[in-house]
Amino acid sequence: DQQVKQNSPSLSVQEGRISILNCDYTNSMFDYFLWYKKYPAEGPTFLISISSIKDKNEDGRFTVFLNKSAKHLSLHIVPSQPGDSAVYFCAPFSQGAQKLVFGQGTRLTINP
Amino acid sequence: DTAVSQTPKYLVTQMGNDKSIKCEQNLGHDTMYWYKQDSKKFLKIMFSYNNKELIINETVPNRFSPKSPDKAHLNLHINSLELGDSAVYFCASSHTTGGAGELFFGEGSRLTVL
Repeated sequence: DQQVKQNSPSLSVQEGRISILNCDYTNSMFDYFLWYKKYPAEGPTFLISISSIKDKNEDGRFTVFLNKSAKHLSLHIVPSQPGDSAVYFCAPFSQGAQKLVFGQGTRLTINP
Repeated sequence: DTAVSQTPKYLVTQMGNDKSIKCEQNLGHDTMYWYKQDSKKFLKIMFSYNNKELIINETVPNRFSPKSPDKAHLNLHINSLELGDSAVYFCASSHTTGGAGELFFGEGSRLTVL
């Protein structure tokens, strides 16, 4: 029972271009949608989030878009930099259940 | 100064043994979690504690027993280890329950059961 799906296990983008990571979910009860970034041998770190009542949140080079009717969100990174190479996890949060539900991640590689 | 620290970082042991992983956070948070990342890379919650009280207990075998001596510590004890327990275990903490899901994770403890 996979509530959160990141259908692209990997993505390769040229430095300076836009990276777009996608996430689909099935549960309508999520209150927040978060993106976490993970480097090898480290724990995930929080990157950006969006409330379920909004459709866009921007923070510097990172923008998250939420389409509730399609149960879809995406993370845009522009311009992409080599330091952005990492695994990105989509993680919706339910205040009622008090837990994050993680997708399986997308490995982003930024090529110089 | 590490915010969420786990020990040990690597653990190799035989089937049937009992082992513990320790976690400490110095962020002043009152909620702590254990997550398991399996071979398919999914991160799944196992337990959460708020002020030493168990809040979430997912469908986890009772061979796994969390212990929270105080709100800055959440240890994970595993009895009678099985091959399927091999995974990376992440401890995390957050400011409070009822927040927006921003968790701070430790570096993970890679458990290998032979």
